Amino acid sequence: GAVVSQHPSRVICKSGTSVKIECRSLDFQATTMFWYRQFPKKSLMLMATSNEGSKATYEQGVEKDKFLINHASLTLSTLTVTSAHPEDSSFYICSATKTGLEETQYFGPGTRLLVL
Amino acid sequence: GQNIDQPTEMTATEGAIVQINCTYQTSGFNGLFWYQQHAGEAPTFLSYNVLDGLEEKGRFSSFLSRSKGYSYLLLKELQMKDSASYLCAVYTGGFKTIFGAGTRLFVKA
Repeated sequence: GAVVSQHPSRVICKSGTSVKIECRSLDFQATTMFWYRQFPKKSLMLMATSNEGSKATYEQGVEKDKFLINHASLTLSTLTVTSAHPEDSSFYICSATKTGLEETQYFGPGTRLLVL
Repeated sequence: GQNIDQPTEMTATEGAIVQINCTYQTSGFNGLFWYQQHAGEAPTFLSYNVLDGLEEKGRFSSFLSRSKGYSYLLLKELQMKDSASYLCAVYTGGFKTIFGAGTRLFVKA
């Protein structure tokens, strides 16, 4: 199997606070994980590629100081949205690839963030 | 540039067959994915084509023509639960996957 979990599934927070989202590969090791953002009826937008033990690679236009990514182990990556604002409200999805099998991404169930 | 095109929406009848097309122009190509995504949920893997031709997996089949930059997903014996978005994605290598905007399929009774 290839199961990826995300926590929390939904979060509502006040503007100015920080929110941490966890992404875990439950039954495989994932050297590489990806963080996506998706707006309603739009496709996935890659935010960053997270590699275990090293700094994440951010896509152009994504603020690395605002979206902090930590990939401390082969099964866990975290995304922290710092000083969240209403425009950060979105569906955040992580995915992971099996170490040595980089083509196929297995997606987590997503986290719906609402910033008031 | 990187470009993946697929129709925005399609409607089909329960029990019928539907073909969702995808054309791509990318700087690299290692393979093409199809994912299914229900509203409010994450995408789930359907197929991965690396070589030209048709690959069949139950009710779903996927076709690839690398020379034409073209793929399609064929869904047979449509069921109501097949109503979802279908994402075409190209793996360009080096951990890079480019996703199309998705095709929303509505299956009606």
